[in-house]
Amino acid sequence: EVQLVESGGGLVQPGRSLRLSCAASGFTFDDYAMHWVRQAPGKGLEWVSGISWNSGSIGYADSVKGRFTISRDNAKNSLYLQMNSLRAEDTALYYCATHSAAHAFDIWGQGTMVTVSS
Amino acid sequence: QSALTQPPSVSGSPGQSVTISCTGTSSDVGSYNRVSWYQQPPGTAPKLMIYEVSNRPSGVPDRFSGSKSGNTASLTISGLQAEDEADYYCSSYTSSSTWVFGGGTKLTVL
Repeated sequence: EVQLVESGGGLVQPGRSLRLSCAASGFTFDDYAMHWVRQAPGKGLEWVSGISWNSGSIGYADSVKGRFTISRDNAKNSLYLQMNSLRAEDTALYYCATHSAAHAFDIWGQGTMVTVSS
Repeated sequence: QSALTQPPSVSGSPGQSVTISCTGTSSDVGSYNRVSWYQQPPGTAPKLMIYEVSNRPSGVPDRFSGSKSGNTASLTISGLQAEDEADYYCSSYTSSSTWVFGGGTKLTVL
């Protein structure tokens, strides 16, 4: 079964750090670019960051540039998001998603919730 | 990286057709055919419905179709069914090598 499972979310104080993980199974992980997409409570989807299959190409939304770092370990079939200097506006459900040659986010996890509050 | 513009809500009766628009700029929708659409029922993860403007993944009913003209992409759902009630989002690649989503449209089946 094709599956993405996010973990690492939780309640964190403003200014602190958190590392999210996304474990992939059921498909050839290094065939795909990977992305993080977030959704604030009651709001729409926001693209956060993406990484190519070999980590050679990485991009970030302006809202997280300089604070978040995306990485992957193809040997462990895992994607990561290191989030530093967290702000209240980073509070959201964070999804990882595959990105195929079809130029779309075709497989999604169920998300992990990050709450930034004092 | 401004969000693409979608109507907040649309509605239709079972069997009818509805169209959801997604307006961007010449830096995203207007320049690339990397436009996709996602369906998100309440409490669930998004599901890919259309990719590259008008292509349907395997398993998506042919009642769902996509198109693009200039800076505006559209999703049309024909033969509306109760199960189509959900939020719908468009997405596009941008000239900044990033991705942008629309604000989302809530579809209500009357």
